[in-house]
Amino acid sequence: GQNIDQPTEMTATEGAIVQINCTYQTSGFNGLFWYQQHAGEAPTFLSYNVLDGLEEKGRFSSFLSRSKGYSYLLLKELQMKDSASYLCAVLDSNYQLIWGAGTKLIIKP
Amino acid sequence: NAGVTQTPKFRVLKTGQSMTLLCAQDMNHEYMYWYRQDPGMGLRLIHYSVGEGTTAKGEVPDGYNVSRLKKQNFLLGLESAAPSQTSVYFCASSGLAEQETQYFGPGTRLLVL
Repeated sequence: GQNIDQPTEMTATEGAIVQINCTYQTSGFNGLFWYQQHAGEAPTFLSYNVLDGLEEKGRFSSFLSRSKGYSYLLLKELQMKDSASYLCAVLDSNYQLIWGAGTKLIIKP
Repeated sequence: NAGVTQTPKFRVLKTGQSMTLLCAQDMNHEYMYWYRQDPGMGLRLIHYSVGEGTTAKGEVPDGYNVSRLKKQNFLLGLESAAPSQTSVYFCASSGLAEQETQYFGPGTRLLVL
């Protein structure tokens, strides 16, 4: 079966750095996405990785290792508004998105 | 440019009742999707469409039907609602040029009693 694992919840301090991990086992791979979802709102696109390595976009970076079936989202200089759930999703061989359950990130002052 | 909109935002149904959820997008996207999101679970694909007049089943299609008569609209129907269909329903769309990036509507919260 297809499976995406990410921690259920993480806590971090404002101004700090946090890394959210995602491991996957899917039938084929055509890219990995990270989405942000604030409580009661829709998911919004953060990043897309299809090749190994690090993609940096402002305070957010996303890393991919296809051989290890592993990705992480790195958030720097945390702000209170970063409190949200972060969803990892993999595009499988049929170009269907397989979603993880999401990681709820709590930011404390 | 409203992006993806959904109607209604919230609805309460009794078991056995039927309803239709409407999704509209103004980005001229080819692909449209219906998901449900339940606590502790990832988004699950119900049905999707790769173009006007076409639909296909996703991971959890039972109890739902869809139609895509116009490119900009994607309707999700519940023929006979069950408490197990209590969920938050999200519609999403994506374009041919950027097939993979999906843009989501604000969601419809459905409670089936």
